[in-house]
Amino acid sequence: QKEVEQNSGPLSVPEGAIASLNCTYSDRGSQSFFWYRQYSGKSPELIMFIYSNGDKEDGRFTAQLNKASQYVSLLIRDSQPSDSATYLCAASSARQLTFGSGTQLTVLP
Amino acid sequence: EPEVTQTPSHQVTQMGQEVILRCVPISNHLYFYWYRQILGQKVEFLVSFYNNEISEKSEIFDDQFSVERPDGSNFTLKIRSTKLEDSAMYFCASTGTGKYEQYFGPGTRLTVT
Repeated sequence: QKEVEQNSGPLSVPEGAIASLNCTYSDRGSQSFFWYRQYSGKSPELIMFIYSNGDKEDGRFTAQLNKASQYVSLLIRDSQPSDSATYLCAASSARQLTFGSGTQLTVLP
Repeated sequence: EPEVTQTPSHQVTQMGQEVILRCVPISNHLYFYWYRQILGQKVEFLVSFYNNEISEKSEIFDDQFSVERPDGSNFTLKIRSTKLEDSAMYFCASTGTGKYEQYFGPGTRLTVT
């Protein structure tokens, strides 16, 4: 059974702070990892993907992958109130995404 | 920027009826997917489709479900005899050649009464 686990939160950070979101996965065959943002009632929006161990930066977002520990994280720097959403971690094996339950992030003005 | 589109945005149907959910994937994408999300629960994989055939399917995707690419642009999910527990948001996604990133459409909310 493939599982992706996330802290459900809620996670609250003040505006301008760094938000840190974490995820673990059970399937060692997973090759690709994704972070989606989902606003209430909306569809998942892809914000980051990472395939190799290490860090990947894109603007205010940094994804980190450690395959040995089966751990993925997302850092959001200079958090903004508009970043308030549920963040979904997903692991891919054979192009099938397995999602975590999401972490609800609130950025306080 | 190209987007996945889905119609209808909301479908209400009676138990036992057939429904067809429609998706137009991003142009020149070749991999297509359906996911569902029951209210308050995780996004769940249903099926992937490539080269006019199913590549992978989950346990949820039983004989009541089918997918089709009827023409060069549309990708459909059919549920033959809907059940109350089929009520969910259904998302279509697509991926480009040589890529792994899946881009989701806005979803269809299916309500079975």
